[in-house]
Amino acid sequence: QITLKESGPTLVKPTQTLTLTCAFSGFSFNTSGVGVGWIRQPPGKALEWLALIYWDDDKRFSPFLRNRLTITKDTSKNQVVLTMTNVDPVDTATYYCANLVPRGAFGGFFDYWGQGTLVTVSS
Amino acid sequence: QSVLTQSPSVSGAPGQRVTISCTGSSSNIGAGFDVHWYQQFPGEAPKLLIHGTNNRPSGVPDRFSGSKSGTSASLAITGLQAEDEADYYCQSHDSSLSGYVFGTGTKVTVL
Repeated sequence: QITLKESGPTLVKPTQTLTLTCAFSGFSFNTSGVGVGWIRQPPGKALEWLALIYWDDDKRFSPFLRNRLTITKDTSKNQVVLTMTNVDPVDTATYYCANLVPRGAFGGFFDYWGQGTLVTVSS
Repeated sequence: QSVLTQSPSVSGAPGQRVTISCTGSSSNIGAGFDVHWYQQFPGEAPKLLIHGTNNRPSGVPDRFSGSKSGTSASLAITGLQAEDEADYYCQSHDSSLSGYVFGTGTKVTVL
């Protein structure tokens, strides 16, 4: 079955760089169409899509955070890494990674999610 | 930066039917992109509830159904049950933003 799990620091200081890892199983980037995305949720607030990487290394970013995000994949390790630079307290959130099922040339939905990891940005 | 707007909350008695609206624009729902729905319980990750406007993954009860018209979509819960009390989010793709968008979320309360 498909599982995903996020890992990374629970506390980050303002202006630092946040690095999160998503380790997954049950699917592979060797399969055409596979994608893994990152979504975050500030406490008590809505979900916000951040970034996505596809099997062919194509990448998509939220235009609101594009200049602060990097996403990479390690096909051999079944991992995806998200980095966010210059973090601020408003970046405090639970960060989820999820498996994308693509629909058409664009679009798709997230059918399996990790449990999420809470990241607090505070000095 | 939610571009899909949902009613903040809806409530109903057990057995009743409730609907959750998701309003978008011509660059997302109105452009023909599919709408998907997620259910989230407190402290848990979101769970896919409906994909492709009205397709239920295995295990999702048929009391959940979706529809779409123009720039809006709806999720209906018929025969509301206490276990349906949760937050619900719609999701689509936006051509102007070249990315995925989520709704503002709706809290369903069972009276």
